[in-house]
Amino acid sequence: GAGVSQSPRYKVAKRGQDVALRCDPISGHVSLFWYQQALGQGPEFLTYFQNEAQLDKSGLPSDRFFAERPEGSVSTLKIQRTQQEDSAVYLCASSSTGFHQPQHFGDGTRLSIL
Amino acid sequence: QKEVEQNSGPLSVPEGAIASLNCTYSDRGSQSFFWYRQYSGKSPELIMSIYSNGDKEDGRFTAQLNKASQYVSLLIRDSQPSDSATYLCAVTTNTGNQFYFGTGTSLTVIP
Repeated sequence: GAGVSQSPRYKVAKRGQDVALRCDPISGHVSLFWYQQALGQGPEFLTYFQNEAQLDKSGLPSDRFFAERPEGSVSTLKIQRTQQEDSAVYLCASSSTGFHQPQHFGDGTRLSIL
Repeated sequence: QKEVEQNSGPLSVPEGAIASLNCTYSDRGSQSFFWYRQYSGKSPELIMSIYSNGDKEDGRFTAQLNKASQYVSLLIRDSQPSDSATYLCAVTTNTGNQFYFGTGTSLTVIP
């Protein structure tokens, strides 16, 4: 497919477990973004990559959250020692370059922490 | 003060009417503005982008930008029930390359 692909679509984990969420951006898109969306809210920015460089991680809520994009394509968002407040939809988006171009979103991963 | 403010609604309009959605932003240096539509349980999909003052039309959609007043709006003409969704305003600021979404306005088009 030509769109942004995220996996898994749904993830249930027990509090304290580590989880890893994957994002495969649109081919050729330089920029990749992660967002967290709580129910009834707009997406909240987490972090931003340009190629393999993580240029902004100011939105990551704690040091339990870690993101990487080692080869400048696929990205992984990892959450360690999950807490119930981490339950949300995690959206990945990509754009051809930077913040000033439209971002195209994947279907998201719905994370539920029990 | 939030970076991007939207009236959460819900906004209800009859089929065939014009729906008007508004958004204000706080950073006067903001440069890029986007409207996304999000159906329940789905991801946001881009409707329009606008970068310059004035109107930009695309089919039934018109985006309006007024940088002096720091607002951007979206008009949907001939509203259809399939337009029922949450509409998200997003703004790129000039400082620190930040990208902010509003909380969204819920629109219901009544047949």
